[in-house]
Amino acid sequence: DTGVSQNPRHKITKRGQNVTFRCDPISEHNRLYWYRQTLGQGPEFLTYFQNEAQLEKSRLLSDRFSAERPKGSFSTLEIQRTEQGDSAMYLCASSLGGDPRTDTQYFGPGTRLTVL
Amino acid sequence: AQSVTQLGSHVSVSEGALVLLRCNYSSSVPPYLFWYVQYPNQGLQLLLKYTSAATLVKGINGFEAEFKKSETSFHLTKPSAHMSDAAEYFCAVSPNTGGFKTIFGAGTRLFVKA
Repeated sequence: DTGVSQNPRHKITKRGQNVTFRCDPISEHNRLYWYRQTLGQGPEFLTYFQNEAQLEKSRLLSDRFSAERPKGSFSTLEIQRTEQGDSAMYLCASSLGGDPRTDTQYFGPGTRLTVL
Repeated sequence: AQSVTQLGSHVSVSEGALVLLRCNYSSSVPPYLFWYVQYPNQGLQLLLKYTSAATLVKGINGFEAEFKKSETSFHLTKPSAHMSDAAEYFCAVSPNTGGFKTIFGAGTRLFVKA
């Protein structure tokens, strides 16, 4: 068990460029979550996958954002035409699923995006 | 709708003193409640969670929290602070029908003075 990994750890881009982040969950974890965390705030829920199915998207996830989990393993989060307001830490988490009383989300270290 | 309010964005204690981080929640359904800790350059780590069993929940590193429905609170405590406890702490809530949409508070940064 190597934990949740995210790549890259840091990304600096110019406004208007597209960026893509990758998340590798813990092996055999069925659920995968994306959050966004801005400075001085707690993580905000963006979207959630059960295996390869994207089951919920936050209103925070505008049309410029898209997430995929094509084979139910790793996931990608793409932001098109980045804006300065997209600058944030993007967190990924995974969990085994099953009984919600025992299900626990494990978080990756995050990808810090800076839009110039 | 669910929400979480953490009282105090910064808390400073002396080493060996009691740690008390406050969290109040709002939920239209019975909630699950969580405390996470975030060390610099690391991912969030679950400290403890309440899932409608015992109201006093014990977690890792000597932390515990008590669920008080009448006060809609879930405050985090530790009897004796250690320097290594310095970090950011987040309270979070999710509906007890499934924990996938977790709502986090804004966080409280704990400083521990020698």
